[in-house]
Amino acid sequence: DAGVTQSPTHLIKTRGQQVTLRCSPKSGHDTVSWYQQALGQGPQFIFQYYEEEERQRGNFPDRFSGHQFPNYSSELNVNALLLGDSALYLCASSLAGKEGIDEQYFGPGTRLTVT
Amino acid sequence: LAKTTQPISMDSYEGQEVNITCSHNNIATNDYITWYQQFPSQGPRFIIQGYKTKVTNEVASLFIPADRKSSTLSLPRVSLSDTAVYYCLVGAAMDSSYKLIFGSGTRLLVRP
Repeated sequence: DAGVTQSPTHLIKTRGQQVTLRCSPKSGHDTVSWYQQALGQGPQFIFQYYEEEERQRGNFPDRFSGHQFPNYSSELNVNALLLGDSALYLCASSLAGKEGIDEQYFGPGTRLTVT
Repeated sequence: LAKTTQPISMDSYEGQEVNITCSHNNIATNDYITWYQQFPSQGPRFIIQGYKTKVTNEVASLFIPADRKSSTLSLPRVSLSDTAVYYCLVGAAMDSSYKLIFGSGTRLLVRP
């Protein structure tokens, strides 16, 4: 039973560039959430996708956008990268409607460095 | 959403019991208390969740007093591999798609 996978593992970009991060949810899950974790801080919720639509959004600018595909995998896109976007980007998957937040599973993350 | 306060860091030695307390004075009636563990360069991992009194699983115990304004995560006989950041979260748990609100967590260092 495959867990949550993310790619790439590491990424280095230059300010102003655009980046796309990918996530495959745990088998049987249909909801994907994205989090940003700056060094030394807890993860911050970016947004959540369900049925190919953004269902919830945290306090992040429109430069952050996403997509969910019919197979439930998801992409996170960040445009016009800033130095402050350097962080670990985490993907978490879950099954909509299933009780218990213990049912959220996180991937290993993508480490983005903006220079 | 209820705000949580927990110690920034804690030190312990192998074999000791570690208790990490979290304050959540504004917890709502429907809120559950959940703890996550995170190792460096990995995603958080669910440890335990409770509503009131005591919950125990194979990893930890969670003690919640009657007023629910605080909770204590207890890790029995820690090992070096328990060195990690521990997050206390408070929120409604009726839907697994609930967005998780993390604080800064408690950095636990277990020494030999």
